[in-house]
Amino acid sequence: SAVISQKPSRDICQRGTSLTIQCQVDSQVTMMFWYRQQPGQSLTLIATANQGSEATYESGFVIDKFPISRPNLTFSTLTVSNMSPEDSSIYLCSVERGGGGYTFGSGTRLTVV
Amino acid sequence: GESVGLHLPTLSVQEGDNSIINCAYSNSASDYFIWYKQESGKGPQFIIDIRSNMDKRQGQRVTVLLNKTVKHLSLQIAATQPGDSAVYFCAETHSGNTPLVFGKGTRLSVIA
Repeated sequence: SAVISQKPSRDICQRGTSLTIQCQVDSQVTMMFWYRQQPGQSLTLIATANQGSEATYESGFVIDKFPISRPNLTFSTLTVSNMSPEDSSIYLCSVERGGGGYTFGSGTRLTVV
Repeated sequence: GESVGLHLPTLSVQEGDNSIINCAYSNSASDYFIWYKQESGKGPQFIIDIRSNMDKRQGQRVTVLLNKTVKHLSLQIAATQPGDSAVYFCAETHSGNTPLVFGKGTRLSVIA
């Protein structure tokens, strides 16, 4: 099964700044998925990142706010741009691990002050 | 650590009792379902999955039941232990590397 290393694990950021979150997978995967988990809530899909093409964003999420890179089959980044306190959440990446089951990174706990 | 599920429904059980966590899923076309456990400060951890051609699947101390007629999924945990305390999420998708859609989640609190 795939193992995901996600960085940073947590950060406290000033409003108006940007933070880039990285996910490294120990095997090649076609799709990587980015989720947001707001305080006390479930996970909501932000976008699907396919290597070699632009990410596909869900309703309510836009590329200017959450730009995603997918330079190869083992790595992706999500940037939270021009942050406000409403962006304070846990951000998680995920991959489908072949034969079913989806593995998640440990999450990035973002606090915007 | 970071608190997860502050506003989620809570199920409290005595240590040693069985727990049943329920989930209503949304898409009748979904054919693959997973239960995840999320402890404070961690990402979701896979517990058990089930495909739509089955109605029951058992793991170690856990059983998942699927009722496609009413779009209902349940997770049964036998002999609940303090280490089972966490937030539990059901998730659904089509097979084939498509993203998961998560249910609202339930916080399980085990009373020693």
